[in-house]
Amino acid sequence: AQKVTQAQTEISVVEKEDVTLDCVYETRDTTYYLFWYKQPPSGELVFLIRRNSFDEQNEISGRYSWNFQKSTSSFNFTITASQVVDSAVYFCALRRSKAAGNKLTFGGGTRVLVKP
Amino acid sequence: EPEVTQTPSHQVTQMGQEVILRCVPISNHLYFYWYRQILGQKVEFLVSFYNNEISEKSEIFDDQFSVERPDGSNFTLKIRSTKLEDSAMYFCASRNPQGSGQPQHFGDGTRLSIL
Repeated sequence: AQKVTQAQTEISVVEKEDVTLDCVYETRDTTYYLFWYKQPPSGELVFLIRRNSFDEQNEISGRYSWNFQKSTSSFNFTITASQVVDSAVYFCALRRSKAAGNKLTFGGGTRVLVKP
Repeated sequence: EPEVTQTPSHQVTQMGQEVILRCVPISNHLYFYWYRQILGQKVEFLVSFYNNEISEKSEIFDDQFSVERPDGSNFTLKIRSTKLEDSAMYFCASRNPQGSGQPQHFGDGTRLSIL
């Protein structure tokens, strides 16, 4: 069975601080995909990034960066120099690469509150 | 950029009534999904649909639920006899068939309130 754990339920920071969101996953599969989605207060789910299990390169996109470590089954997300617009719930998700429906298994989400 | 669109944005229904939630997936996508999110909780998978049939469903997706792609563009979720616990945000998603790593793109959701 697949499982995703986001131990931090809520993080509060002041604008311009860095914030790191933890994601730990469990799977018996050797190949899989990991995702991060953002859910702003308006409620929609916005895709941020996908990572293949066989690609452990870290990735940076603007103020966002992701650290994938297969050895510890973690896929952490860092927002550098946070802004008020980063306030949202962030979900980490796991998907098997070889399965009929390829459903996403989500973690419980981390609410990030960035104060001005 | 193409989007998944869902209607209505908010649906209020009396308990025991049938409700149909509608979705228009991105046009060249062939995998379709429904998820739900009870207020303040995580997003849960309901069902996936490919090639005009259900490919996977969760324990939540019992006999009260059904999905349909009636006309090649819409993808609907029907709840036959709603219960109070069906109150949630329902998200439709679709995925490009090219490569198994393509992300699912979500609609803005339909908030379903059962009275």
